[in-house]
Amino acid sequence: ILNVEQSPQSLHVQEGDSTNFTCSFPSSNFYALHWYRWETAKSPEALFVMTLNGDEKKKGRISATLNTKEGYSYLYIKGSQPEDSATYLCALYSGGGADGLTFGKGTHLIIQP
Amino acid sequence: EADIYQTPRYLVIGTGKKITLECSQTMGHDKMYWYQQDPGMELHLIHYSYGVNSTEKGDLSSESTVSRIRTEHFPLTLESARPSHTSQYLCASSFSGGSYEQYFGPGTRLTVT
Repeated sequence: ILNVEQSPQSLHVQEGDSTNFTCSFPSSNFYALHWYRWETAKSPEALFVMTLNGDEKKKGRISATLNTKEGYSYLYIKGSQPEDSATYLCALYSGGGADGLTFGKGTHLIIQP
Repeated sequence: EADIYQTPRYLVIGTGKKITLECSQTMGHDKMYWYQQDPGMELHLIHYSYGVNSTEKGDLSSESTVSRIRTEHFPLTLESARPSHTSQYLCASSFSGGSYEQYFGPGTRLTVT
């Protein structure tokens, strides 16, 4: 079974500050890396799907980078707002074995006004 | 916005009862998935399906069973619920020809007493 690690586990950030967190994964058998945003009692919302080494994606104040050779991805949030409070999940699609996503435990982000 | 629905959202039930968790999607996706999340743990794939009459076991062993008689419907059944089945169950779907992106339902939080 693949191991997807996310750090930190939780993070308190002041409103207006920028922040980032990490997802690390085994670099072999890589197909795609997903980032999801999950608010309590709601469906996980897809943020990015990245497939190529060096990929950089952006959606508003949130961006992500991917390094498949060293096996990590960073998620950045610029100018944090209270509505950014959520759990951010990283998931790997390796294309082998069971045909689904392998998730990390997530980073729980709390934005303090 | 993804159209994938799960019912019930919350269920508290006694040991030994048979339960079925419903999942439906209106996007015409051929692939569907069930993930389980125990408290403090990551989401794990327990079942998936490539299409009608296809069901496969995921990475994590589960006593539940699934069926796929219609494209849009992928119910999960526990024949005899036990306290160890207390968990959150999320359903997802994807288009096999797409970018590996999976769309998630809001989940069912199951408590077995």
